[in-house]
Amino acid sequence: AQTVTQSQPEMSVQEAETVTLSCTYDTSESNYYLFWYKQPPSRQMILVIRQEAYKQQNATENRFSVNFQKAAKSFSLKISDSQLGDTAMYFCAFIPFQGGSEKLVFGKGMKLTVNP
Amino acid sequence: DTGVSQNPRHKITKRGQNVTFRCDPISEHNRLYWYRQTLGQGPEFLTYFQNEAQLEKSRLLSDRFSAERPKGSFSTLEIQRTEQGDSAMYLCASSRGGTYGYTFGSGTRLTVV
Repeated sequence: AQTVTQSQPEMSVQEAETVTLSCTYDTSESNYYLFWYKQPPSRQMILVIRQEAYKQQNATENRFSVNFQKAAKSFSLKISDSQLGDTAMYFCAFIPFQGGSEKLVFGKGMKLTVNP
Repeated sequence: DTGVSQNPRHKITKRGQNVTFRCDPISEHNRLYWYRQTLGQGPEFLTYFQNEAQLEKSRLLSDRFSAERPKGSFSTLEIQRTEQGDSAMYLCASSRGGTYGYTFGSGTRLTVV
């Protein structure tokens, strides 16, 4: 089964701090694609960062970076210099690419609150 | 690029009625996806299209749900004989290739009373 587990339902941090959101996944596929999406309160879901499983180098987008451990099936998101606008639900997701399917499988999400 | 547009934003309907939602994707995107999200859960896959072809449909989707994308542009999602369990946010997304990531719309919130 293709599943995503986000074990921390909620976290809070102070502005300017660094925070790490954890995610594990399960798949038997060797080539797949991993994502973190952000869903601010009452707003649409936004792509934060993307990682291709066959690339060993961890993806980085400005203050956001990932720690991709393929053997452990772990894909954590690090947010540096947290800002108030980072307050949102964060979803870890992946495309197993099984049979060429582009179906995106989501975790349950984690609520991040950044406090002033 | 005006983003992915979904209408209506909110829909309240009585149990047993039929409802239809519309999604207009980003014009350059040939893939279109429908998801359902309930409170406290991540989005759940319903179906997706490449151009006008429906390539995959969730086995969890009952026969009361149907989706179309007749000309490979906008899409509609219809729910027949709505039930209270259908109350959720229905999300539409589009992409030029799913592995690049999806662009989501703001969703249609359905409440069945």
